Amino acid sequence: AQSVAQPEDQVNVAEGNPLTVKCTYSVSGNPYLFWYVQYPNRGLQFLLKYITGDNLVKGSYGFEAEFNKSQTSFHLKKPSALVSDSALYFCAVRAYTGGFKTIFGAGTRLFVKA
Amino acid sequence: EADIYQTPRYLVIGTGKKITLECSQTMGHDKMYWYQQDPGMELHLIHYSYGVNSTEKGDLSSESTVSRIRTEHFPLTLESARPSHTSQYLCASSDEVDSGTDTQYFGPGTRLTVL
Repeated sequence: AQSVAQPEDQVNVAEGNPLTVKCTYSVSGNPYLFWYVQYPNRGLQFLLKYITGDNLVKGSYGFEAEFNKSQTSFHLKKPSALVSDSALYFCAVRAYTGGFKTIFGAGTRLFVKA
Repeated sequence: EADIYQTPRYLVIGTGKKITLECSQTMGHDKMYWYQQDPGMELHLIHYSYGVNSTEKGDLSSESTVSRIRTEHFPLTLESARPSHTSQYLCASSDEVDSGTDTQYFGPGTRLTVL
C-alpha cells in the first residue's frame, strides 16, 4: 500500500541549531514528494517539492530537503532554526494508486526554543 | 492577486442546521479539494474535483456534499450539522499544468463548531 510516515510526533530544537524533520514513504514507481507547513489557525503552505534531478531541494524560508531513494526518505532540514519556524510540518507524496493521488503524513510539530 | 479564499473563517452553529462552507480560488486551477482536520492533527481528504461538474468522495466517509458548477467555486454543504462535524475544514486547489505534480495551495480554513 502507498503510504507516507512521519515517525516523530514532535521535534524540539534550540534556536540557532540545525533541525531535521523526518519523512519516509512507501510507493511504487517514482514519487513526487512535498513538504508543507501549517502555522496556528492557518491552512497549509507549500514549502518545497522533489520531482526529479538533484536530490537536494531548496525551498522557502531557508528550508531544504534531501531525497534518498535507497532509504525511501525525504527529510526536511534547516541549518539554523528560528523561533518563528515553530509550526506543524506535513510531508506528502504523490503516487499512482489506481489514479494519481497525494497522500499526506500525520504531521510533525516543531518547537524551536529561544 | 491570485489566491484561495474560505468563508466563514469561524462558525458556531446548532445541531440540525444546514450549513455551506464556501471556497473560491482565483488561480484558474482545475483541481480542488476539501480536507477535514482536527486541530493540529492529520488531514483527511473528504471530497475532490478535477473540474466543472466533476466531484468525487475522498478517503474519509463524510456526510457532506459538494458541487462544482464553476471552476473557481467549490462549496461544501452539511444538510444537518451534528457535534461530530466539529472540526477544521481546509480547501485546496492545484494546477495539473505544473508538471502534473499536484502542488496544492490551501485556503485559511473554516473552524466549525456544532453545539
